[in-house]
Amino acid sequence: GDSVTQMEGPVTLSEEAFLTINCTYTATGYPSLFWYVQYPGEGLQLLLKATKADDKGSNKGFEATYRKETTSFHLEKGSVQVSDSAVYFCALSDSGNTPLVFGKGTRLSVIA
Amino acid sequence: NAGVMQNPRHLVRRRGQEARLRCSPMKGHSHVYWYRQLPEEGLKFMVYLQKENIIDESGMPKERFSAEFPKEGPSILRIQQVVRGDSAAYFCASEGSSNQPQHFGDGTRLSIL
Repeated sequence: GDSVTQMEGPVTLSEEAFLTINCTYTATGYPSLFWYVQYPGEGLQLLLKATKADDKGSNKGFEATYRKETTSFHLEKGSVQVSDSAVYFCALSDSGNTPLVFGKGTRLSVIA
Repeated sequence: NAGVMQNPRHLVRRRGQEARLRCSPMKGHSHVYWYRQLPEEGLKFMVYLQKENIIDESGMPKERFSAEFPKEGPSILRIQQVVRGDSAAYFCASEGSSNQPQHFGDGTRLSIL
């Protein structure tokens, strides 16, 4: 079945450091790919998405590019802030109106 | 615009009791998904419903768990005779058309004593 693998955390960075969180997937078709963020005690918020190969999703300074050849969707941000501290989940969906398959999440802590 | 509303936010039950978790989807959304999150784990799909229909329950345990999404009112996830292993955060997500992403509620954190 489909699966998502993301780098294990926790990741601790200083403010203004560069962030990369790796995510690779296994899927039979051409899934849509997502990054969700979860702040403490809250639900998941969609951060960005990409629906086809070579698409780049971006939001709030975060970016991820759908790489079909490497089956990857790595999350990057050039300069992290303390407020970016959260758990980040990579996910895929086979098609519309189907369940999401999540990675285990990566906890990011940004220190001032 | 109200988002996905889940209640209660926290629920404590003793072993053997029943737990009822409610989810009101975003306005205009007719697709509801339930996921379970164990500590330090990602979310695992449980069940997918549309109004009055269960579309996919492949992730839901066959015993003690049930879900519904009636024509009127919220979606309900029901866990009978709870056990310690049911302690988790349960998230509901709703979706409109097939081109839209799922939107999540803040979850219900279930603790079993």
